[in-house]
Amino acid sequence: NAGVTQTPKFRILKIGQSMTLQCTQDMNHNYMYWYRQDPGMGLKLIYYSVGAGITDKGEVPNGYNVSRSTTEDFPLRLELAAPSQTSVYFCASSGLEGQYFGPGTRLTVT
Amino acid sequence: QQQVKQSPQSLIVQKGGISIINCAYENTAFDYFPWYQQFPGKGPALLIAIRPDVSEKKEGRFTISFNKSAKQFSLHIMDSQPGDSATYFCAASSPFRGSNYKLTFGKGTLLTVNP
Repeated sequence: NAGVTQTPKFRILKIGQSMTLQCTQDMNHNYMYWYRQDPGMGLKLIYYSVGAGITDKGEVPNGYNVSRSTTEDFPLRLELAAPSQTSVYFCASSGLEGQYFGPGTRLTVT
Repeated sequence: QQQVKQSPQSLIVQKGGISIINCAYENTAFDYFPWYQQFPGKGPALLIAIRPDVSEKKEGRFTISFNKSAKQFSLHIMDSQPGDSATYFCAASSPFRGSNYKLTFGKGTLLTVNP
């Protein structure tokens, strides 16, 4: 039981490039989330999903897109990367017992 | 508008002492209040959580105290150890389809426990 896994762990992008952050969970949770964490700012919700085929915007969705074709996977797409998207990104899933986070992806946009 | 205010921003405690971190919220619809512990380079991990039908919950050295009328809750770490050194986040959520949906996080407290 791996929980929530994320790839890659680290990535450096140039301005204007695009990439997909991968997230997979094996707990059969319907609810999945993407957060970004910036120093001293806590975690901000980017997008969330309540089940396969259903996604919705969180607090800071601009510049990102998501899809949810299966219960297990919830990829986050960055189009036209900007320096403001330099951050640590966490994927999470939740059941009744709580919300579980992946190990994170550290992204730098230069 | 910050819906969950956490203090202090940083805290230094001696080994064996009590660490206390406080959070205040504004949304009276919040009904689930978890605390997360995060070590450097790792994702946040659920530490302990409380619902407003009780005023206190204890798990080992960790206790949540909840004051519904004041809209405040706090984390107490008894007999603090150097291994407790981490960033702690409080959070809150309102009910939605029976799950822990759309947590609102405080900004975090960096706890350092000196040996």
